[in-house]
Amino acid sequence: NAGVTQTPKFRVLKTGQSMTLLCAQDMNHEYMYWYRQDPGMGLRLIHYSVGEGTTAKGEVPDGYNVSRLKKQNFLLGLESAAPSQTSVYFCASSLYGGVYGYTFGSGTRLTVV
Amino acid sequence: AQKITQTQPGMFVQEKEAVTLDCTYDTSDQSYGLFWYKQPSSGEMIFLIYQGSYDEQNATEGRYSLNFQKARKSATLVISASQLGDSAMYFCAMREDFGNEKLTFGTGTRLTIIP
Repeated sequence: NAGVTQTPKFRVLKTGQSMTLLCAQDMNHEYMYWYRQDPGMGLRLIHYSVGEGTTAKGEVPDGYNVSRLKKQNFLLGLESAAPSQTSVYFCASSLYGGVYGYTFGSGTRLTVV
Repeated sequence: AQKITQTQPGMFVQEKEAVTLDCTYDTSDQSYGLFWYKQPSSGEMIFLIYQGSYDEQNATEGRYSLNFQKARKSATLVISASQLGDSAMYFCAMREDFGNEKLTFGTGTRLTIIP
């Protein structure tokens, strides 16, 4: 089925470890986003991309890096995980936003101990 | 300042009654879009309804309608004839900054439908 696929779905990291979350979309969308969701705070934008090879910072970018080497993939990296990065991470993509809407992945639950 | 404000952290509504979920927003852009999403306990984000800032008619999608009051910067979601399956978190979101299409979310309202 067409859509946004996030891997992995669950992960437990030790403080200081690194990892990469992968987001893949097969809808030829230009825009891709990484959000984190914490209790009582809704979804907050970490980084986003408006096209292949471009990335930009969102609301809460510290401690994360991203890359968009291929149009269909958007990678979120944690170089040195901290307990404050325990969260649910959502990837989303859109064609042009607006009436076309946004497609979300199913989320990655990350726990940093 | 919050760009999206949802003042109802939780609501309990009797099954088959209508539900009204409040959302106010803050923007200086003339062109923007407003979205409502549903997040059930399974965690996925489900798109419900969209309203563009230049749309003259209130948006409707089946049992969902959006009461758009532009001057008050309000975008209320109305669910008619509520069902048990409507129990979920509901998020209001706004797209501004035309060109990068970022979505800003409110903190959500947890809706519980009582049988």
